[in-house]
Amino acid sequence: AQKITQTQPGMFVQEKEAVTLDCTYDTSDQSYGLFWYKQPSSGEMIFLIYQGSYDEQNATEGRYSLNFQKARKSANLVISASQLGDSAMYFCAMREPHFMNYGGATNKLIFGTGTLLAVQP
Amino acid sequence: DAMVIQNPRYQVTQFGKPVTLSCSQTLNHNVMYWYQQKSSQAPKLLFHYYDKDFNNEADTPDNFQSRRPNTSFCFLDIRSPGLGDAAMYLCATSRDRDSINQPQHFGDGTRLSIL
Repeated sequence: AQKITQTQPGMFVQEKEAVTLDCTYDTSDQSYGLFWYKQPSSGEMIFLIYQGSYDEQNATEGRYSLNFQKARKSANLVISASQLGDSAMYFCAMREPHFMNYGGATNKLIFGTGTLLAVQP
Repeated sequence: DAMVIQNPRYQVTQFGKPVTLSCSQTLNHNVMYWYQQKSSQAPKLLFHYYDKDFNNEADTPDNFQSRRPNTSFCFLDIRSPGLGDAAMYLCATSRDRDSINQPQHFGDGTRLSIL
């Protein structure tokens, strides 16, 4: 079963408008972290914003904010005042405990399939 | 200032010819990861090092190996590249692997092409 679901393969937005990129997740853990990354066409993955499962307030970082609805298991990214440079692929990711065979734990980062955002002038 | 550096940005190799991709970090992070990302897909974790402790994902082909000679450097070796191994390879680091809130910091990636 998909752990992270991004239902929008592609989105268009006009410059200076706000846009919401959807992300839903599936986990039975109480403790987990949600991340958004931006990947321009050049390939690098840029960390944007983090939301912890126990955080009571929605995370914000400049023009990025996260609309976290825990009961719905959704963590949508909101980009305000879109700029041409925001055109990129956006990945939602979740970090949850992952227990290794030897008994130790690591926190794997599980990615969604991404949403390609195009900002139009 | 680049903190996770991957070399080269683009690598072309021949079918079956071994190739090594390199990653270095200035963050002094304990954990280094290698991901494979094929066109229009999400990154897929191949393996990670926690300090010198190597952890392979169950579905990572034997063709892929890794070395971490010291904290700063990590290498991805592909012993006999096939056409299906053409992809972007991303290196990432995190301070530790136990904290849920630690983001992973990625390099710019190496785009590998197989002729």
